[in-house]
Amino acid sequence: DTGVSQDPRHKITKRGQNVTFRCDPISEHNRLYWYRQTLGQGPEFLTYFQNEAQLEKSRLLSDRFSAERPKGSFSTLEIQRTEQGDSAMYLCASIQAPRLAGPLDTQYFGPGTRLTVL
Amino acid sequence: EDQVTQSPEALRLQEGESSSLNCSYTVSGLRGLFWYRQDPGKGPEFLFTLYSAGEEKEKERLKATLTKKESFLHITAPKPEDSATYLCAVRPQGGSEKLVFGKGTKLTVNP
Repeated sequence: DTGVSQDPRHKITKRGQNVTFRCDPISEHNRLYWYRQTLGQGPEFLTYFQNEAQLEKSRLLSDRFSAERPKGSFSTLEIQRTEQGDSAMYLCASIQAPRLAGPLDTQYFGPGTRLTVL
Repeated sequence: EDQVTQSPEALRLQEGESSSLNCSYTVSGLRGLFWYRQDPGKGPEFLFTLYSAGEEKEKERLKATLTKKESFLHITAPKPEDSATYLCAVRPQGGSEKLVFGKGTKLTVNP
């Protein structure tokens, strides 16, 4: 089964450290999304890529956050100078966007990376 | 602003006791309403997509329905393995096709 995969599954870090997460989407999917989910809340959109281009960023994505998808395949999300408020589950999702105005597809999510900032 | 409200926040049922979860929404042009199931510590698992009012979809003990302002997830004769958080999301008009989620309903089914 080649679903969305994320690495690592869990990360514990100290405040002020930098962390990087990786997402591998479903292979034929050209769009990749990052969401953040805190306890008791639904996922919130952070950013998305169409192939290698980052096309939208949420205002939730502060300057300490950066995301890349260099070859249009896997993506990385880096958080610099982590703060305790960054503790959350970081979710990745992918979708095959239609080339024409065809039926819309469904976003499939990975297992997430649980970040704990001490 | 696009918004999704789910109720109740938590629901406890006895095995076999049918019920419904509600998802009400306000959105600038609906391009799909989605139901996901999420188990603790895991990513959301896709259940259903609904596109237009009057549409219904079923899968095992679950049935999702859609009106112009809300969606219901009906659970018939639930089993303990149906215990999870059920998330509702809408996809507004706009190029990103990002999902806007509600906070979810945590369902517990007791044997």
